[in-house]
Amino acid sequence: QKEVEQNSGPLSVPEGAIASLNCTYSDRVSQSFFWYRQYSGKSPELIMSIYSNGDKEDGRFTAQLNKASQYVSLLIRDSQPSDSATYLCAVNMQEHNFNKFYFGSGTKLNVKP
Amino acid sequence: EAGVTQSPTHLIKTRGQQVTLRCSPISGHTSVYWYQQALGLGLQFLLWYDEGEERNRGNFPPRFSGRQFPNYSSELNVNALELEDSALYLCASSTRQGQTQYFGPGTRLLVL
Repeated sequence: QKEVEQNSGPLSVPEGAIASLNCTYSDRVSQSFFWYRQYSGKSPELIMSIYSNGDKEDGRFTAQLNKASQYVSLLIRDSQPSDSATYLCAVNMQEHNFNKFYFGSGTKLNVKP
Repeated sequence: EAGVTQSPTHLIKTRGQQVTLRCSPISGHTSVYWYQQALGLGLQFLLWYDEGEERNRGNFPPRFSGRQFPNYSSELNVNALELEDSALYLCASSTRQGQTQYFGPGTRLLVL
C-alpha cells in the first residue's frame, strides 16, 4: 500500500460546479497535510495546508481533514476552466525520528466551459 | 522574497553523458529536496538534504547523487545518462524537515 493514494482521474466537472478531490493516507503519525496544484509542464504550487481535523477555507478552496478515517479532501467551489490541472495531495509523516513528505500521484481535474 | 530557483531550465544530453542540475532554496530554508517527474507521471522522490547532509534518498541507482553547499544551495548529478532519465527535475525547499515544501520551476532534461 502506498503512503498516499489518490484517484488518478480525470475528474470532469462543468464550469461553476463543485469539484471534490480525495486523498487517503497510510496509518502513520501524520502531522500535516497539503494540496498542490500542478499545471501541465509546470512545477507544483501550494494551494492549502491543513493541520487539524475539520474544514479550512481559503477563497473558493476548502480542505477537509478526518484523521480517524485517514482522509483529506479538497473542494473547489465555482470551478473555472483555469482550475483544470493535476492536484497533488502531500502528507508529512513521522518515520524513524524524521518527518518525511509523501506525495500522491495526483488527480487530474478537467473543468469544462 | 525570491522563490526557489533552478538552472538550467532545459537541457539536452546524449546517452552516457553526465549532467549537473542546480538549485537555490528560498532564503532561510535549510532543507532541499529533489524529485524526478517523467512525462505524465507522478513525483518520484530522489534526495533530501538538510544542513549540508544527505538525510534520505529514494529508490534510484547510485549514479544519481548530489550535495548541499554551506549556503544551502544544492546540486544534483546524474552520471551515465539513460534514455529513461528524460524528465522534469524539480527542486523544493523548506525551513526544516517536514515543513511545507516550495518548488522551483524545474529543469527539463531530454536524453537522446
